[in-house]
Parts: sequence; structure tokens; C-alpha cells
Amino acid sequence: DTGVSQNPRHKITKRGQNVTFRCDPISEHNRLYWYRQTLGQGPEFLTYFQNEAQLEKSRLLSDRFSAERPKGSFSTLEIQRTEQGDSAMYLCASSLQGRQPQHFGDGTRLSIL
Amino acid sequence: AQKVTQAQTEISVVEKEDVTLDCVYETRDTTYYLFWYKQPPSGELVFLIRRNSFDEQNEISGRYSWNFQKSTSSFNFTITASQVVDSAVYFCALSEAQGGGADGLTFGKGTHLIIQP
Repeated sequence: DTGVSQNPRHKITKRGQNVTFRCDPISEHNRLYWYRQTLGQGPEFLTYFQNEAQLEKSRLLSDRFSAERPKGSFSTLEIQRTEQGDSAMYLCASSLQGRQPQHFGDGTRLSIL
Repeated sequence: AQKVTQAQTEISVVEKEDVTLDCVYETRDTTYYLFWYKQPPSGELVFLIRRNSFDEQNEISGRYSWNFQKSTSSFNFTITASQVVDSAVYFCALSEAQGGGADGLTFGKGTHLIIQP
């Protein structure tokens, strides 16, 4: 059990650029979640997958955000046309099934110049 | 709609003191789950405990204990004989079993706990 892995750890980009983050969950976990955390706040739920199916999307997830989990293993989160307000820590978590403890990765810190 | 309130933004105590972190939640579901997570300076969220709404027994794990009271919608966390390594931000979180938020956790804003040597 190597834990949840996220890449990259840090991403700095100019406003308007597209960025993509990757999350590798714990191998036997069926559920994968994405959260966003800004300074001084708790994580905010964005979306989650049961295997390859995206089952829920928060209203925080604007049309510029898209997430995939093509083979039910790793997931990617893409942000198109980044804006200043997208600067945050993006956290990935996984769990065996619903309502079970979610185990988090170290996150990807996004900074928009 | 579900909500978690952690009214204590920051707590500072001297090592070996006991400290209690408060968590108050709101939900319309009768079935729900409560969690506590620790976020040390390194940043990774560490799972501490999960409680379901039907289990009101208090739990103790080493120096950690949790007091769940449905009557006051609270799920408080106590650290006994605090240590410097306990310094972190602690988050309380809620997941409804049947709510529109499905499986995502709703977090409070966190309590920054500082243990001074």
C-alpha cells in the first residue's frame, strides 16, 4: 500500500493556460475524489468516481474543469483557461467504497501568475 | 444542506495540557457519518476517526478521545497530555448517507492547534 500519489506537487502557470493534474489512488480502492483547498479553509468537494463512472459533481466545478478516470485506476483533473481564482491546493482521495474513510494524497498546489 | 462549524480558529496550549476541539454539524439526514482529520505542516490530511450517526459511544484511542452527542449535534475531539507533535490543523467533516452531496465530505474550516514546549 503506497498511498495516494499526486503529480505534480506544484504547478505554476500563467492565467489563461490549461493545466492537468494526475492522481493515482490506493490500488484496491474503487472510489476516487477530488477536492480543492484554499488557504485557511477546509477542503471543498469537487467530484468523485466509482471505478470509471463520475457520479457526482459539485456546483464548484465550472465548465472549465473536467475530470476523468478512464480505466478506473488513475484520474486526471484538467482546468482550461485558468483564472486567478483557481489558485489553490487540489487534493485527491480514495476509499474502498462509499462512506468509508477517505485517504488523501499530498495534493497539487496550483499558482496562477 | 449540510454544514460543519469549528468555531475555534486557533488554540494554543502548553505541552502536557489537555485540549478539546469543538465540532458542531447540521444535517437533515438521519443517517450520516462524521470524521476527524489531521493536517500537519507537511500538508497531507491524515484520517483519525469515523463515526456513524447510530453509534453514540465515545471512543478512546491512546491520548485521543471523541465525544459524540446527537442531542447537541456535536462531535468533539479531546487530546490528553498534548505533545508538540500534535501541532496541526484539525478538521471535522460530515458525509450524509442520502443527501444530494452524495459521497463527498463537507469539512469545517479547521482548528489550528499549537502545542508550545
